[in-house]
Amino acid sequence: DAKTTQPTSMDCAEGRAANLPCNHSTISGNEYVYWYRQIHSQGPQYIIHGLKNNETNEMASLIITEDRKSSTLILPHATLRDTAVYYCIVRVAGNQGGKLIFGQGTELSVKP
Amino acid sequence: EAQVTQNPRYLITVTGKKLTVTCSQNMNHEYMSWYRQDPGLGLRQIYYSMNVEVTDKGDVPEGYKVSRKEKRNFPLILESPSPNQTSLYFCASSPGDGRNTIYFGEGSWLTVV
Repeated sequence: DAKTTQPTSMDCAEGRAANLPCNHSTISGNEYVYWYRQIHSQGPQYIIHGLKNNETNEMASLIITEDRKSSTLILPHATLRDTAVYYCIVRVAGNQGGKLIFGQGTELSVKP
Repeated sequence: EAQVTQNPRYLITVTGKKLTVTCSQNMNHEYMSWYRQDPGLGLRQIYYSMNVEVTDKGDVPEGYKVSRKEKRNFPLILESPSPNQTSLYFCASSPGDGRNTIYFGEGSWLTVV
């Protein structure tokens, strides 16, 4: 099962782009990369997901390397409300499609 | 409104007293799952269900049971709770595997004394 590795913590200045990396070097071809965030101890909130192409939505952009072994979540203009723990998740597809493997998450602190 | 609802949200119980944490979703999702979250250990999957009457173990199933008799409900059962099951529990659901957003409930704080 593919696992993910993320830095434990990062800081970002308010208004600047936050770039959160994730390593998933053992990902297989039919596994999706998901990003979630958790503010305090609330339920994780979906941000974005992708398979191999870069993706963008109203919250963020997801850049996946060509070999799919790593990805970067970009929050283009971070605000104080973006302070949270960000989880990079690889979702196993096929018969094991229900297994979700969470990384340890990156604690992002957005500072004024 | 799309929701995953867990009950109770907060519970203090004693060792050995059976308890059930309910989870219900109103989105007709096939997939449902339970996680526990402990300090320094992140989110760990307990059990998941791909559809009615189909359940499977996650990474930390010991001490827990689940059932999926109907699509909307996926209760988590602790037959004989122990203090090491003190944790924050999350239920989640999604329409299927791999390609769909996963919705999480707000969490259930469980303390076993």
